[in-house]
Amino acid sequence: GQNIDQPTEMTATEGAIVQINCTYQTSGFNGLFWYQQHAGEAPTFLSYNVLDGLEEKGRFSSFLSRSKGYSYLLLKELQMKDSASYLCAVVDSNYQLIWGAGTKLIIKP
Amino acid sequence: DVKVTQSSRYLVKRTGEKVFLECVQDMDHENMFWYRQDPGLGLRLIYFSYDVKMKEKGDIPEGYSVSREKKERFSLILESASTNQTSMYLCASTSGKADTGELFFGEGSRLTVL
Repeated sequence: GQNIDQPTEMTATEGAIVQINCTYQTSGFNGLFWYQQHAGEAPTFLSYNVLDGLEEKGRFSSFLSRSKGYSYLLLKELQMKDSASYLCAVVDSNYQLIWGAGTKLIIKP
Repeated sequence: DVKVTQSSRYLVKRTGEKVFLECVQDMDHENMFWYRQDPGLGLRLIYFSYDVKMKEKGDIPEGYSVSREKKERFSLILESASTNQTSMYLCASTSGKADTGELFFGEGSRLTVL
């Protein structure tokens, strides 16, 4: 079966750095997305990786290793507004999106 | 600003009632999707549409139907609501296919079936 694994919940301190991991076992791979979802709000797009390596976008970076079936989202200089759920989604060989259950990130002052 | 609007944020219905959830996007996107989101599970695709009057089943279509009479509007219908359909429903749209294009989501419709 197809599987996306993310930690259920993580806690970090304001101003610090946090890494949210996503591992996947899917039938093929055609890209990986990260979305952010604040409580009670719509998910919003953060990043898309299809090639190995690190993509940096301001305070947020996303890394992909296709050989390891692994990605992470790195958040630097954490702010209270970064408290949200972070959703990992993989595009499989049939070009269907497979979603992880999301990681709830709690930022403490 | 890109916008996807879902008609109702919160609904409470009784078992057996017919439920309509409406979604409107103002971005002229061809592709629209309905997902449900449940605690501890990833988003699950119910139905999607790549064009007006066109629909395709997703992973969990049972108990649901959809309608796309106009490009901007995609409706999800629960013909006879059941308690296991209590969930958060998310509508999304994209100009490309969901596999490569950014999805734009509505804020969700939280449905409770009693």
